[in-house]
Amino acid sequence: DGGITQSPKYLFRKEGQNVTLSCEQNLNHDAMYWYRQDPGQGLRLIYYSQIVNDFQKGDIAEGYSVSREKKESFPLTVTSAQKNPTAFYLCASSMAHHNYGYTFGSGTRLTVV
Amino acid sequence: DQQVKQNSPSLSVQEGRISILNCDYTNSMFDYFLWYKKYPAEGPTFLISISSIKDKNEDGRFTVFLNKSAKHLSLHIVPSQPGDSAVYFCAALNNNAGNMLTFGGGTRLMVKP
Repeated sequence: DGGITQSPKYLFRKEGQNVTLSCEQNLNHDAMYWYRQDPGQGLRLIYYSQIVNDFQKGDIAEGYSVSREKKESFPLTVTSAQKNPTAFYLCASSMAHHNYGYTFGSGTRLTVV
Repeated sequence: DQQVKQNSPSLSVQEGRISILNCDYTNSMFDYFLWYKKYPAEGPTFLISISSIKDKNEDGRFTVFLNKSAKHLSLHIVPSQPGDSAVYFCAALNNNAGNMLTFGGGTRLMVKP
């Protein structure tokens, strides 16, 4: 059963700590994406990767880092440099050059305490 | 510069009536449009799409209309059901720019029993 899995569902972090959010897909999708959603806001792109070992900054990349060592995995690290990290984080994947858009994970709620 | 806009942050309708969600775009190079539905604390799920060469696409209770000259699309839900209460995101795709989706800010639909 193919899909995209984000873990954990809820995450708490102390100020000043780095934290890594996991995103794994078994859809054989080429591209993967990270979005952030704040209350009452739309989806803002953090980073994306169209191919293994390559990734690009999105609109709000500051304070975040990613890696794409495997096609199936695209972890996001929220660093201590991110000023306001409390948000709902969504991972998505897609085929390259495909009209069906994205498949999204179920999200991770990060709270800084 | 927001290329995809959903000007109504919220919409309330009575069960059984029609819900009309609107979306405007500025980039004439978009060639595919999608609607996603999102429940709280979950990832968005694909709802319906339309190619720029068409003006209407229907799937059960959901119909998307595209007016290219006005750069406007709308999602009609009829009849509306309480389970349709969610946030709806409009998204646009330019196939000549890879598979990157540009999202609108979302509209929260509330269907009252």
